[in-house]
Amino acid sequence: KAGVTQTPRYLIKTRGQQVTLSCSPISGHRSVSWYQQTPGQGLQFLFEYFSETQRNKGNFPGRFSGRQFSNSRSEMNVSTLELGDSALYLCASSLILAVNEQFFGPGTRLTVL
Amino acid sequence: DQQVKQNSPSLSVQEGRISILNCDYTNSMFDYFLWYKKYPAEGPTFLISISSIKDKNEDGRFTVFLNKSAKHLSLHIVPSQPGDSAVYFCAASANSGGSNYKLTFGKGTLLTVNP
Repeated sequence: KAGVTQTPRYLIKTRGQQVTLSCSPISGHRSVSWYQQTPGQGLQFLFEYFSETQRNKGNFPGRFSGRQFSNSRSEMNVSTLELGDSALYLCASSLILAVNEQFFGPGTRLTVL
Repeated sequence: DQQVKQNSPSLSVQEGRISILNCDYTNSMFDYFLWYKKYPAEGPTFLISISSIKDKNEDGRFTVFLNKSAKHLSLHIVPSQPGDSAVYFCAASANSGGSNYKLTFGKGTLLTVNP
């Protein structure tokens, strides 16, 4: 069974640009969560989608948005990039309603210059 | 305000000895706690969890202890092996981990097990 895949794995952007990251969950998983990992803040929850609906949202500005498609694939978008947005963005998917059943992808490393 | 704290950024132990990783939390609504392990260039992998109705959960070489009154949990690895070298994240959630997918993570502890 294939794991959670994230594309691209690495990305370099400049300030002011926008970026879209993609996550394909494990087959059959309907919940997708996004996290941001930085050295200073650790792993921080961005948002969670289930059946194309955003159910939970973390404390991030409106520049961070996401969506989920009918096939459970998810995208997150960051507009007007800032230097501080440089981070590893992790996606996790799950099948049943339990937080310990979240399976993480390898992440997308975003560098903002 | 960091609700889950791992105060030791790193820990080094000898192979075969015990590794103890600590985690403190401030939010009294947290009732489900997890430990994740992360290797470089990979996403975190679930290791072990504990509900607030328990004070201990064991899985092979890994045991998690929870002290609710102190708002403290620890992960014990016995015996430690070089393959355990990784970053360990403590995480917590409210609502008994049922339908609440929002995990609050600590900043992680880098464990190095020396042969």
